[in-house]
Amino acid sequence: QAQLVQSGAEVKKPGASVKVSCKASGYSFTSYAIHWMRQAPGQGLEWMGWINPANGNTKFSQNLQGRVTFTRDTSATTAYMELTRLMSDDTAVYYCARYDYVWGCYRPWGQGTLITVSS
Amino acid sequence: QSVLTQPPSVSGAPGQRVTISCTGSNSNIGAGSDVHWYQQFPGTAPKLLIYGNNNRPSGVPDRFSGSKSGNSASLAITGLQAEDEADYFCLSFDSNMSGWGVFGGGTKLTVL
Repeated sequence: QAQLVQSGAEVKKPGASVKVSCKASGYSFTSYAIHWMRQAPGQGLEWMGWINPANGNTKFSQNLQGRVTFTRDTSATTAYMELTRLMSDDTAVYYCARYDYVWGCYRPWGQGTLITVSS
Repeated sequence: QSVLTQPPSVSGAPGQRVTISCTGSNSNIGAGSDVHWYQQFPGTAPKLLIYGNNNRPSGVPDRFSGSKSGNSASLAITGLQAEDEADYFCLSFDSNMSGWGVFGGGTKLTVL
């Protein structure tokens, strides 16, 4: 069945960049959008944006515009999220999820990637 | 700060029934957007419990059910079991967010 596997946890210094990968398997990678969300400690989930793997089109949350980039490698069936100019407020668990347009929800989700921003 | 409002915690004894509410607004749930529910254990990916307000994916026990009315939705769990102790959150879609996902803050269910 469909599965998303993310890269491992990272610790970054303020001002640095981070790139998280999301490897898809078990379905046609280019047929479903990949959305990215994050959850800061003790907070609810925040939607970050999405990428259409078929053509590379992207959309971002206004809160992150200018700092976040979504890319994909269709041959590797992998989506990527890069966040630049990291701040302590970016410390969170980052999730990718497939948008299931039949059921109208996100499924499945990746297991999450903890990004810690600390000096 | 979450767009959808959930109680931070609920609790119940084994065998009891608990409900978790999810309150939105006229730009999301009240506008007719479906509500979806997820279960999450620490350090793991969210698992879909209910989609489209009241539908269960294959493999989800019928102890879990969903409903929606007006600006709100609810997740009900009957015959509470120790293994149900987890975090639960709701998802809907908001016209003010370019139609993309908005979430509840999550509810921690404790089985006493």
